[in-house]
Amino acid sequence: DTEVTQTPKHLVMGMTNKKSLKCEQHMGHRAMYWYKQKAKKPPELMFVYSYEKLSINESVPSRFSPECPNSSLLNLHLHALQPEDSALYLCASSLGHGTGELFFGEGSRLTVL
Amino acid sequence: AQRVTQPEKLLSVFKGAPVELKCNYSYSGSPELFWYVQYSRQRLQLLLRHISRESIKGFTADLNKGETSFHLKKPFAQEEDSAMYYCALSPFGNEKLTFGTGTRLTIIP
Repeated sequence: DTEVTQTPKHLVMGMTNKKSLKCEQHMGHRAMYWYKQKAKKPPELMFVYSYEKLSINESVPSRFSPECPNSSLLNLHLHALQPEDSALYLCASSLGHGTGELFFGEGSRLTVL
Repeated sequence: AQRVTQPEKLLSVFKGAPVELKCNYSYSGSPELFWYVQYSRQRLQLLLRHISRESIKGFTADLNKGETSFHLKKPFAQEEDSAMYYCALSPFGNEKLTFGTGTRLTIIP
């Protein structure tokens, strides 16, 4: 399996809801990433987990809560989001040790009403 | 702070003509530079990285530390090269990968 799989592909939620985005890879990669991409903009880094520990948090609001249960899984828990958080959320993985070669999922498109 | 600049949002080139997508960066340490590509309805994927010094799909890119540039070039454009191209930078040995604003390349038949 050489893919990063993200679920759900689409998610619509209200501002009071709690939901989660999930990401999975079975390539033995030890670094996993969350990026946020607004329309016609580049991906913006949110979080990086390296060897299952949070190594980078780009000052993301606490309404986004990442979790890395094991080396293959990455979650993004969402709570009390705002409409401006509507975006495509991309998960990626890499070997680790700062290789910089990321493998991306197709993304989860989030709409906050 | 690390920063990547791609001055052209849109670039149209005739099939068979040379292509050059510009990328400039600012970073005080040792950077790793990459080009990522996103074809229509496909996921973002790595095209090439400067340390590999390879040619992928006819594309090459040379890191010019003096001019802090990493321009992407191809001598003869093909229709299948139409895509969104992102230049990206990470500090050497670090997972923080920062993307430029991207250039949408359209090859005119």
